[in-house]
Amino acid sequence: EIVLTQSPGTLSLSPGERASLSCRASQSASGSDLAWYQQKPGQAPRLLIYGASNRATGIPDRFTGSGSGTDFTLTISRLEPEDFAVYYCQQYGSSPLTFGQGTRVEIK
Amino acid sequence: EVQLVESGGGLVQPGRSLRLSCAASGFTFDDYAMHWVRQPPGKGLEWVAGISWDSSSIGSADSLKGRFTISRDNAKTSLYLQINSLRDEDTALYYCAKAYYGSGSYYSLFDYWGQGTLVTVSS
Repeated sequence: EIVLTQSPGTLSLSPGERASLSCRASQSASGSDLAWYQQKPGQAPRLLIYGASNRATGIPDRFTGSGSGTDFTLTISRLEPEDFAVYYCQQYGSSPLTFGQGTRVEIK
Repeated sequence: EVQLVESGGGLVQPGRSLRLSCAASGFTFDDYAMHWVRQPPGKGLEWVAGISWDSSSIGSADSLKGRFTISRDNAKTSLYLQINSLRDEDTALYYCAKAYYGSGSYYSLFDYWGQGTLVTVSS
């Protein structure tokens, strides 16, 4: 099983700042078979990034995914008020499919 | 518009069984794999199980094998999850999710999610 470790657990930032979220895999996630999701309280997760670096439909270009193999990063260039949420990475290159434990981005 | 509507959750005693359902609409159901993902209250996401478009490829989380069974009925555009011998730690919101990629195995990311059905296991 591929274990995904996200860091930091919580990121405290102000609107307009840059956020950098890390997701590390215990073994290679079939190259780039990694997705990122955003989840707000009381809502289902929303797909942001797939294939490590491809934005899903309707996702603003301030969200950028990068990385391959075992190290992946989600960058939010300038935080908007609606970006404060929990972010999860997920690998889908091998079974069982797994999620990271999440990074909470909170308002400082 | 893609819609996934889960049902079947509720309060259930430990050791009992439950069958969750997900009614899908707005897309060609039998073109896509489907999944169940759960989220305990206040905690993170856990993939439960996935099933390919034609039910030929099925997978589940290692820790859940044997008690959880995923199935689908393409004629009814519905997804199911049978949970047996329920435990306290199965308490969670159970989401139905659509695979992003069509055809092939169940390995996928998820592009659409339902709002979930809450399962509470307690005596």
